[in-house]
Amino acid sequence: AQTVTQSQPEMSVQEAETVTLSCTYDTSESDYYLFWYKQPPSRQMILVIRQEAYKQQNATENRFSVNFQKAAKSFSLKISDSQLGDAAMYFCAYRRNFGNEKLTFGTGTRLTIIP
Amino acid sequence: DTAVSQTPKYLVTQMGNDKSIKCEQNLGHDTMYWYKQDSKKFLKIMFSYNNKELIINETVPNRFSPKSPDKAHLNLHINSLELGDSAVYFCASSQKGQRGFQETQYFGPGTRLLVL
Repeated sequence: AQTVTQSQPEMSVQEAETVTLSCTYDTSESDYYLFWYKQPPSRQMILVIRQEAYKQQNATENRFSVNFQKAAKSFSLKISDSQLGDAAMYFCAYRRNFGNEKLTFGTGTRLTIIP
Repeated sequence: DTAVSQTPKYLVTQMGNDKSIKCEQNLGHDTMYWYKQDSKKFLKIMFSYNNKELIINETVPNRFSPKSPDKAHLNLHINSLELGDSAVYFCASSQKGQRGFQETQYFGPGTRLLVL
C-alpha cells in the first residue's frame, strides 16, 4: 500500500523568507502523480503544484517549486518570498496513474508566517 | 462560478439521525469522489464514481451510501449517524486525460458535520 509521510507537523517562516516543507512516500509503482494541496483556515483544499513521476524536471508555479527525487521517493515543496496569505495546512498527496486513482494524503504541515 | 459545490456547509444533528450531503460539479468531469477529514486533519478517500458507476469503496460502513444521479452530482447519504461520523466531508472531481488516467482532482468547500 502507498503511504505518504510529512515529518514536520508545524513550520514557521519570516515573511519574505524561503521555507521548505518535506514529504516522502512509499510506492512500488513507476507511473504516478504527486501533489501539494493547501488548506487555509477557510477549509478549502487548493491545488498548489503537481509533479508527474516520469518527468525529471521539477515543477514550478510562481513562488512555489518542488524538489522531486524519484529514487529517494522524496517530494519537498519550496515556498519563496513567503507571504501572509501562505499561512495554511499543506498536504502532500500521491496518486497512482490507472487502477485505483485515489489520492493518498500525508498528515499535513501547518505553516505559520511571521510578520 | 463555483466549480465544485457542496450543500450544506455545516450540519449539526443528533446521533441516530439520517442526513444527506449534496455535491455538484460544473467542470464537465467524469469522476467524482468523497473524502473524509477527521479531527486531526487526516484526509482519506471514501468513494469514487466514474460516469455514475462506483469504482472505489474504501471499506466504509454501509451506513454511508453514495448516490450519483448523473455524472455532475454525487450525493452522500448517512444513516444512523454516530459520534465518530463527526468530520469534514469533501467532494472532489476529476477528468480522464489524454494519457488515459485521471487528471488533477478539484475539491469542493467541504461540509462540516457535527453529531451530538
